[in-house]
Amino acid sequence: DQQVKQNSPSLSVQEGRISILNCDYTNSMFDYFLWYKKYPAEGPTFLISISSIKDKNEDGRFTVFLNKSAKHLSLHIVPSQPGDSAVYFCAAILNYGGSQGNLIFGKGTKLSVKP
Amino acid sequence: EAQVTQNPRYLITVTGKKLTVTCSQNMNHEYMSWYRQDPGLGLRQIYYSMNVEVTDKGDVPEGYKVSRKEKRNFPLILESPSPNQTSLYFCASSARGARKGDTQYFGPGTRLTVL
Repeated sequence: DQQVKQNSPSLSVQEGRISILNCDYTNSMFDYFLWYKKYPAEGPTFLISISSIKDKNEDGRFTVFLNKSAKHLSLHIVPSQPGDSAVYFCAAILNYGGSQGNLIFGKGTKLSVKP
Repeated sequence: EAQVTQNPRYLITVTGKKLTVTCSQNMNHEYMSWYRQDPGLGLRQIYYSMNVEVTDKGDVPEGYKVSRKEKRNFPLILESPSPNQTSLYFCASSARGARKGDTQYFGPGTRLTVL
């Protein structure tokens, strides 16, 4: 049973517009969420994170929103740039027994930003 | 330069032949982890380690072993590889764990094919 779901395998956006990547989760024990970006032939790189006690975190062009009641988070990229074209993974950490290491990823969304 | 290195980068082997994929980080990080990436399944955590001599199972530990005898190294061992372990493997490390904004640095990946 997939606990972190990214239901859109791909997303295409025009340069300069907003990209919105969505992520849903099922386990209410998740208390920390992260977004990673991955280019082909490279390892993922950390993008932005949010604790479950917050509903928004911003870092430059990237903002993550968390709706705990809906078990939903989203990543907004404004404005989108062609260099943002990559696969984006949503990930969650389980706060179960104090574990800080069990990281569960979604399947990823491939973002294409067209010039 | 801060980095996570993996060796080998590419490996083709046969069923049942024991192999080890090495992972090393030069950042004195406590936390290290192994993931596999498969089409349509995203990234799945195999094992992680919060510190020397401390390892825990991730989501898909079956068929794998790890050890953490020293801080910088976290080898992944496949005692008897099978074709369903054909995948792209990533090692990662972070200072204290996957949460609290600790950036998790990923290695470049090891593409393993088991015939």
